[in-house]
Amino acid sequence: DSGVTQTPKHLITATGQRVTLRCSPRSGDLSVYWYQQSLDQGLQFLIHYYNGEERAKGNILERFSAQQFPDLHSELNLSSLELGDSALYFCASSLTENTEAFFGQGTRLTVV
Amino acid sequence: SQQGEEDPQALSIQEGENATMNCSYKTSINNLQWYRQNSGRGLVHLILIRSNEREKHSGRLRVTLDTSKKSSSLLITASRAADTASYFCAPTDSWGKLQFGAGTQVVVTP
Repeated sequence: DSGVTQTPKHLITATGQRVTLRCSPRSGDLSVYWYQQSLDQGLQFLIHYYNGEERAKGNILERFSAQQFPDLHSELNLSSLELGDSALYFCASSLTENTEAFFGQGTRLTVV
Repeated sequence: SQQGEEDPQALSIQEGENATMNCSYKTSINNLQWYRQNSGRGLVHLILIRSNEREKHSGRLRVTLDTSKKSSSLLITASRAADTASYFCAPTDSWGKLQFGAGTQVVVTP
């Protein structure tokens, strides 16, 4: 158990819908990273938050947004879902930029 | 891009043999991390090596880092069937962002 908790584990939803994925980082970790893993794109970096502030953005679509709350948990919002958004979504947390990043078990999103 | 590129893409070995995989990257890094992923499951952290370190060991794992060549290697000694998985290297920038490559698929047969 990495100590990073992601909910839900599985999500099936229809095209056009909106979903929210939740991540609770390891106790004490200030950084949260979101990644998308699909068969054709591999592991893609989406966004990084540090202590509530956005630090870096990767290949994140405009339909996707995220935030980190004062209690350090983070949510990734995906809207106007398309079939191609079906993927595994991971969050990771780390204490600092030079310490290990631990991943949650992921949320498997299926858009039908 | 700091994206790690693993080589080989796939590796098939027998139990008891050693498995070596390599990683190359393009720009300067803060550290480099290795992960294992069993099919469709979460990423398990294996080891972190900092940019000022050259070699690190953890159990049956040995990682090397050559920043002058922008490359790293992961050696798994005395492989077991349970080591069957995909292995990813993740060069990490100064913000802690990991850039993954496509990974090396390792199959260990009994």
